[in-house]
Amino acid sequence: GAVVSQHPSRVICKSGTSVKIECRSLDFQATTMFWYRQFPKQSLMLMATSNEGSKATYEQGVEKDKFLINHASLTLSTLTVTSAHPEDSSFYICSAPVHGRGNTIYFGEGSWLTVV
Amino acid sequence: QKEVEQDPGPLSVPEGAIVSLNCTYSNSAFQYFMWYRQYSRKGPELLMYTYSSGNKEDGRFTAQVDKSSKYISLFIRDSQPSDSATYLCAMDAGGTSYGKLTFGQGTILTVHP
Repeated sequence: GAVVSQHPSRVICKSGTSVKIECRSLDFQATTMFWYRQFPKQSLMLMATSNEGSKATYEQGVEKDKFLINHASLTLSTLTVTSAHPEDSSFYICSAPVHGRGNTIYFGEGSWLTVV
Repeated sequence: QKEVEQDPGPLSVPEGAIVSLNCTYSNSAFQYFMWYRQYSRKGPELLMYTYSSGNKEDGRFTAQVDKSSKYISLFIRDSQPSDSATYLCAMDAGGTSYGKLTFGQGTILTVHP
């Protein structure tokens, strides 16, 4: 079964509103999680690194005031897309590294965001 | 030049064929090499994970890493229609940035009956 859970799987919102996406590690603690964005027929692009108890680290070109990341506990990171616009419509995916299981990295199921 | 290059395909093969997927990279700091399978509108599923150079086999899948050539491969034997998906190579430098993956563009594979 999934070790990283993401919710919601699909969301439609109106332009100008905010949307929150949750990423949970189900049976392990994740001090670090990662958020990616994937546009249709393109690969995954890292947006930011979510750090438990501290500020997220954003990749170059990603607006930190638009994509708010909160990692308030060892099992939950949230991504909030603020003042969403149609160009923010994309597939958002989180991941978490699991140490002690062969050092693997698991991904959530992803969240499809459509801004209308 | 992108850090990781992957032929996007698409690749179409008959059922039972051996499939070869490849990626090249330029960052010599990469230590961990992964292959993910992604079905349409789903999150990536980890297929193979290797550390440093060498081969690793798991069922019908074999992953190869050649760090001297900065080249990795995934072989799928006896391919099945259910293998039809996008295959993504991913790489990690480890250390303090462990878990921060750089992906290839993905190869779209279709296995037809």
